[in-house]
Amino acid sequence: NAGVTQTPKFQVLKTGQSMTLQCAQDMNHEYMSWYRQDPGMGLRLIHYSVGAGITDQGEVPNGYNVSRSTTEDFPLRLLSAAPSQTSVYFCASMWIGAETQYFGPGTRLLVL
Amino acid sequence: GNSVTQMEGPVTLSEEAFLTINCTYTATGYPSLFWYVQYPGEGLQLLLKATKADDKGSNKGFEATYRKETTSFHLEKGSVQVSDSAVYFCALSDADTGNQFYFGTGTSLTVIP
Repeated sequence: NAGVTQTPKFQVLKTGQSMTLQCAQDMNHEYMSWYRQDPGMGLRLIHYSVGAGITDQGEVPNGYNVSRSTTEDFPLRLLSAAPSQTSVYFCASMWIGAETQYFGPGTRLLVL
Repeated sequence: GNSVTQMEGPVTLSEEAFLTINCTYTATGYPSLFWYVQYPGEGLQLLLKATKADDKGSNKGFEATYRKETTSFHLEKGSVQVSDSAVYFCALSDADTGNQFYFGTGTSLTVIP
């Protein structure tokens, strides 16, 4: 099993550009989530999903969109990147009720 | 609301020293508590967890006890190694919002030989 994979590992964007961060898991987990990690802030939940076709907002959803068309994939879209979105982004997944999240290796995003 | 407060770092210890990283929480329901570890350049990994009061989670020599009376979940290890150098995150998931996790800000630990 590959676990949770994320692409790209690193990305540089200009303000106003759009992009999609990819996340995939091969463990058949119902629950998937996106976090951002900033210095001194820990991890903050952006969006999450409890199954295909179901998404919900976390603590910091503004500026980000998600969709969940399959169990395996949970892409995060930045429609118009801003410097405030410079961060490290982590995707995670788990079986609901198991309470153990598995994290991907992260995507480092720099918005100029 | 739900929140986690953990000891600020960075923490620097000599090998074989005793480690304590403090973590306290606020929760509206009956949370499960977790410690995650992040090694340099990697994602977070679950280190240990406890799901009810007085439970002790343990793994790789680390321990933490769920203390409801003090709303705490302090991480301890009796003798740290250089390989324990990492960032440690305390987290909770609330049964009422079981799909959401709340993380502390992380504590960076460096162990020197």
